[in-house]
Amino acid sequence: DVKVTQSSRYLVKRTGEKVFLECVQDMDHENMFWYRQDPGLGLRLIYFSYDVKMKEKGDIPEGYSVSREKKERFSLILESASTNQTSMYLCASSPLGLLATGELFFGEGSRLTVL
Amino acid sequence: KNQVEQSPQSLIILEGKNCTLQCNYTVSPFSNLRWYKQDTGRGPVSLTIMTFSENTKSNGRYTATLDADTKQSSLHITASQLSDSASYICVVSAPGYSSASKIIFGSGTRLSIRP
Repeated sequence: DVKVTQSSRYLVKRTGEKVFLECVQDMDHENMFWYRQDPGLGLRLIYFSYDVKMKEKGDIPEGYSVSREKKERFSLILESASTNQTSMYLCASSPLGLLATGELFFGEGSRLTVL
Repeated sequence: KNQVEQSPQSLIILEGKNCTLQCNYTVSPFSNLRWYKQDTGRGPVSLTIMTFSENTKSNGRYTATLDADTKQSSLHITASQLSDSASYICVVSAPGYSSASKIIFGSGTRLSIRP
């Protein structure tokens, strides 16, 4: 089975703190994604990576950056957390051939609260 | 703008009853449509995929239908069980482009099954 592991299930941070969300997948997938999920808004794409050191902005990249130094690991960074970044963050991966089918394998999510 | 709209937003039914969730989309051109199930506090998991040429597909007690002409899909759950309590997310993909931005999520229907 595909395993996508997010390092923290719950985090509480203060405004202005730097936040790292880590995601690791064990299936050698080329594509990795970071989404945020808010009630009534569905999943919104923050960043997408299709290869090591490659990244593409999604719909809401402002206030976020990403890092993909190794194929299995994709990190989301909030340089200076703000209260409007309180949300559920979902990491996903997909092999190259399945992206067109929309099949994504998700982690359990990281619920971030910024005070 | 490509959109995916789901209804109802939330639904409560008694255990053992049937229910139908709706998904309308304006994504064009269209490649395929997936239904995901998201248990509380977990990441979404794919239930079924439907391509342009398919009208009906079943996965156990879940039956998805697709009308590509009217751009509507439904997910029918038969003989509901407590474990069906979850959010159900409709996801539509556009063809011919590998970017993750062509995977469009609905905001989901929150289904609660009462004993």
